[in-house]
Amino acid sequence: DTEVTQTPKHLVMGMTNKKSLKCEQHMGHRAMYWYKQKAKKPPELMFVYSYEKLSINESVPSRFSPECPNSSLLNLHLHALQPEDSALYLCASSRPLSPSSYNSPLHFGNGTRLTVT
Amino acid sequence: DAKTTQPPSMDCAEGRAANLPCNHSTISGNEYVYWYRQIHSQGPQYIIHGLKNNETNEMASLIITEDRKSSTLILPHATLRDTAVYYCIVRLPNQAGTALIFGKGTTLSVSS
Repeated sequence: DTEVTQTPKHLVMGMTNKKSLKCEQHMGHRAMYWYKQKAKKPPELMFVYSYEKLSINESVPSRFSPECPNSSLLNLHLHALQPEDSALYLCASSRPLSPSSYNSPLHFGNGTRLTVT
Repeated sequence: DAKTTQPPSMDCAEGRAANLPCNHSTISGNEYVYWYRQIHSQGPQYIIHGLKNNETNEMASLIITEDRKSSTLILPHATLRDTAVYYCIVRLPNQAGTALIFGKGTTLSVSS
């Protein structure tokens, strides 16, 4: 079990669909992250939110649109994806960012396994 | 780019200590060494982190060399459930929410 909950666990979508991935944490964390992981590869950073504001976008295509509606929720909106976007999408969070906690570990969810057909 | 080098795979017998090495020769003075592992079909799990001193928790021990250019993660009594990919990561803490940049990791196989 993890304290970061991701839904759905599995998602199959067509290339013309619009879908959203959801991530929720109730640990009071104020930094949240999206990663993408292809099979047999390490996770790759996509986005970082700090205090509900986007702080890092790793040149991710616009067909991926993140949203952080409040301090507990992180969404990833998907539109017009390609089959090569099929992957495990991981969400993570870390403690409120203050000088005493800049170095807090990231806590990961178990991911959403996305298949684009 | 990842700033660490790890062997791609290692084997360990159940009940023995697993010593996983990591090279981070370009680490800077305020960067921490983190270890995570990822069991198949799960998200990465935090194990331990350190700056200069050796660290120990209920999961593992972290030994960092004096020059900080390398470290070793020690699982004192490996079990079958410790079979996973282990990632050694160098991280610079900062206000913007410093993410973890993963390298290729070491696949540890524990067998009976």
